[in-house]
Amino acid sequence: SQQGEEDPQALSIQEGENATMNCSYKTSINNLQWYRQNSGRGLVHLILIRSNEREKHSGRLRVTLDTSKKSSSLLITASRAADTASYFCATFSGGYQKVTFGTGTKLQVIP
Amino acid sequence: GAVVSQHPSRVICKSGTSVKIECRSLDFQATTMFWYRQFPKQSLMLMATSNEGSKATYEQGVEKDKFLINHASLTLSTLTVTSAHPEDSSFYICSATPSGILYEQYFGPGTRLTVT
Repeated sequence: SQQGEEDPQALSIQEGENATMNCSYKTSINNLQWYRQNSGRGLVHLILIRSNEREKHSGRLRVTLDTSKKSSSLLITASRAADTASYFCATFSGGYQKVTFGTGTKLQVIP
Repeated sequence: GAVVSQHPSRVICKSGTSVKIECRSLDFQATTMFWYRQFPKQSLMLMATSNEGSKATYEQGVEKDKFLINHASLTLSTLTVTSAHPEDSSFYICSATPSGILYEQYFGPGTRLTVT
């Protein structure tokens, strides 16, 4: 079952603007990861944040994690048309390495 | 490093036939591999966990006799969709975890299965 809920489900912005996507989950996690998927393609790993971390940066990406609220956010700054894709959060929990994906946010960046 | 490949990338088969999809870790050994299914405009759903040398563990609602998984080596897992039907048409993605490393999964590019 999917424990991650993401919002918004779809987001359309102009190139250069920032895009923020949120992910909520239900159970305790070891870490949370964000992935990008271009239409009909595989997943590209973007960033991993561990349960004891609160914020992490990677290039134009900024991820926050609030374990008390069981939520995470992904911020893409200065968006580009090439950022158009679906973005999924995925939580790793338990010793079994089971991964649960969120419902995804479809981002469209308009040139 | 940490590249996972899938073959084929696309396959079209007739209803009633079986299709095999391969998942390979190219530059690392993977004790554990995972198979996911993704319907259009939906998220990935874990189908099963494949452990090298043992039986796969299937998620609830996934028919193990229909989706046969074999993980015969540390670099190869196969998913066979038996007696495929149009409702099995989907995007199948595998992932692999490097042996001895927890909480890291590397995903393959996916296989688009269309059953006519």
